[in-house]
Amino acid sequence: AQTVTQSQPEMSVQEAETVTLSCTYDTSESDYYLFWYKQPPSRQMILVIRQEAYKQQNATENRFSVNFQKAAKSFSLKISDSQLGDAAMYFCAYRSYDNYGQNFVFGPGTRLSVLP
Amino acid sequence: GAVVSQHPSWVICKSGTSVKIECRSLDFQATTMFWYRQFPKQSLMLMATSNEGSKATYEQGVEKDKFLINHASLTLSTLTVTSAHPEDSSFYICSARDGRTGLTDTQYFGPGTRLTVL
Repeated sequence: AQTVTQSQPEMSVQEAETVTLSCTYDTSESDYYLFWYKQPPSRQMILVIRQEAYKQQNATENRFSVNFQKAAKSFSLKISDSQLGDAAMYFCAYRSYDNYGQNFVFGPGTRLSVLP
Repeated sequence: GAVVSQHPSWVICKSGTSVKIECRSLDFQATTMFWYRQFPKQSLMLMATSNEGSKATYEQGVEKDKFLINHASLTLSTLTVTSAHPEDSSFYICSARDGRTGLTDTQYFGPGTRLTVL
């Protein structure tokens, strides 16, 4: 079974600065998807970024980018030019590539605070 | 696009009563929907997976007779908490898998329902 680990329960960053959230996972599969979801105080889960494991290029979405290291099974999220609205819980998630593994495996989350 | 709604957003009920939570995909057909439970300051715990027109698949430890799931159409799934007790109080979140080609790997989440059982 796959597992997802987020070793930083809490992180803080100064507004306009850059922060990196860590995520590691364990799997024996070669093809899969990885995601970062954001959960602000409203509790609405919001997709931040997704990465297909067969793609070597790191995904980027505006101020959000990932550092995907497949061999190391690492999938960190970098937030540049942090804004107050980035404050939230961030969950890393894994999904198997085939249709049988439809459900996500979520990490425990990292709570990000943005300091003005 | 890819909007998922949940209703109600919060509900308070008496112990012993049943509560139904609706999850709708508003602008896409969801062949698969998922129901999660989230305790305070914790991650999401998958309760069950429901495919349109078939019985839900429950995760180990989740009572299927207590948490009834119906996925009668491609845009609607319901979770009914039967004979609710205070320990069922939690935040329930649904998500939907977009059946369109190229988007089947992503889940889109509803805003959640906070259930409080007195």
